[in-house]
Amino acid sequence: KNEVEQSPQNLTAQEGEFITINCSYSVGISALHWLQQHPGGGIVSLFMLSSGKKKHGRLIATINIQEKHSSLHITASHPRDSAVYICAVRLKPWGTDKLIFGTGTRLQVFP
Amino acid sequence: NAGVTQTPKFQVLKTGQSMTLQCAQDMNHNSMYWYRQDPGMGLRLIYYSASEGTTDKGEVPNGYNVSRLNKREFSLRLESAAPSQTSVYFCASTVTASTDTQYFGPGTRLTVL
Repeated sequence: KNEVEQSPQNLTAQEGEFITINCSYSVGISALHWLQQHPGGGIVSLFMLSSGKKKHGRLIATINIQEKHSSLHITASHPRDSAVYICAVRLKPWGTDKLIFGTGTRLQVFP
Repeated sequence: NAGVTQTPKFQVLKTGQSMTLQCAQDMNHNSMYWYRQDPGMGLRLIYYSASEGTTDKGEVPNGYNVSRLNKREFSLRLESAAPSQTSVYFCASTVTASTDTQYFGPGTRLTVL
């Protein structure tokens, strides 16, 4: 069993829809990251969370440490949001450099 | 700032050939990383360097060596390439070992025949 599981693996949506991508993990973590991988392959960090919720534009990330679960929400989705979204966890103790990555959720948003 | 740069972008090798993947960052970051990405699998850490002069193995170090040449540059060497090393390789950097955001290079697509 992977230490980081994402669901769904693939997601299609119509422009304007509300999107939710889920990430569950089975290990103790000090932080969780959400990353976006563009169709061209480039990877960009979106959020780092250790508790609660963060918002940036139309993107919202939440984490429930007790449930070992995080969600990435996209409001008013747009075709330019089409990408692979990757969840990664930083293991405890704090300061450990290593991240464990999920396999990603491929999102396609159609006009 | 160019951020994190990688060369080459594409490479085809024959089994047994050697090559070095180059990575450089201009953000004065202390920590640098090499990952590989394979279809159906998450990114996996090959080696990392928490600071200039130090390197450590990640999850999948076999068949690779690294050099942290200076604070800016972190290279990955394949001494004798194997088809199992066909992958996309990403370099990344972060300010310090405990800093939140990793900055990724554009990737190198390597095929070993």
